[in-house]
Amino acid sequence: DVKVTQSSRYLVKRTGEKVFLECVQDMDHENMFWYRQDPGLGLRLIYFSYDVKMKEKGDIPEGYSVSREKKERFSLILESASTNQTSMYLCASWTGTTGELFFGEGSRLTVL
Amino acid sequence: GENVEQHPSTLSVQEGDSAVIKCTYSDSASNYFPWYKQELGKRPQLIIDIRSNVGEKKDQRIAVTLNKTAKHFSLHITETQPEDSAVYFCAARVDYKLSFGAGTTVTVRA
Repeated sequence: DVKVTQSSRYLVKRTGEKVFLECVQDMDHENMFWYRQDPGLGLRLIYFSYDVKMKEKGDIPEGYSVSREKKERFSLILESASTNQTSMYLCASWTGTTGELFFGEGSRLTVL
Repeated sequence: GENVEQHPSTLSVQEGDSAVIKCTYSDSASNYFPWYKQELGKRPQLIIDIRSNVGEKKDQRIAVTLNKTAKHFSLHITETQPEDSAVYFCAARVDYKLSFGAGTTVTVRA
């Protein structure tokens, strides 16, 4: 089974702090994604990466950056956290051949 | 970019009845349409998908239909059971990007 692991399930940070959300997949997938999930808004794509060191903006990239130094690891960075970034963050990976996107358990971030 | 709209936002059905969720998409280049189920506190998981060259697909009690001309697709759940209670998301893919609808919370009443 594909395993997508997000390092932190729950985080509480203060406004202005730098936040790192880490995601690791164990199936050698080329493509990785970061989504944000908010009630009534569904899942919105923040950034994705289709190869090591490659990244593309999704629909809501403002206030976020990403890093993919190794194929299995995709990090989401909030340079200066704000209260409107309080949300559930979901990482996902995809082979690029079959259709299925495999999600991690999610990281619930609260910014105070 | 792709815009996926999903209706209804909530759906309450009696156990044994059918549930239907409808989605529309905007980008005619979308070629893959999955449905994900998210149980409370868990990750979204794929339950069924359909590609743009297929009009209908069925897997036991769930089925998906696609109307490319009208740019809409639907999920049908028959003989609903308590374990069908969850949030369901439709999605549409263009190239690498999978865009999701806002979700439908389905509650199956015993």
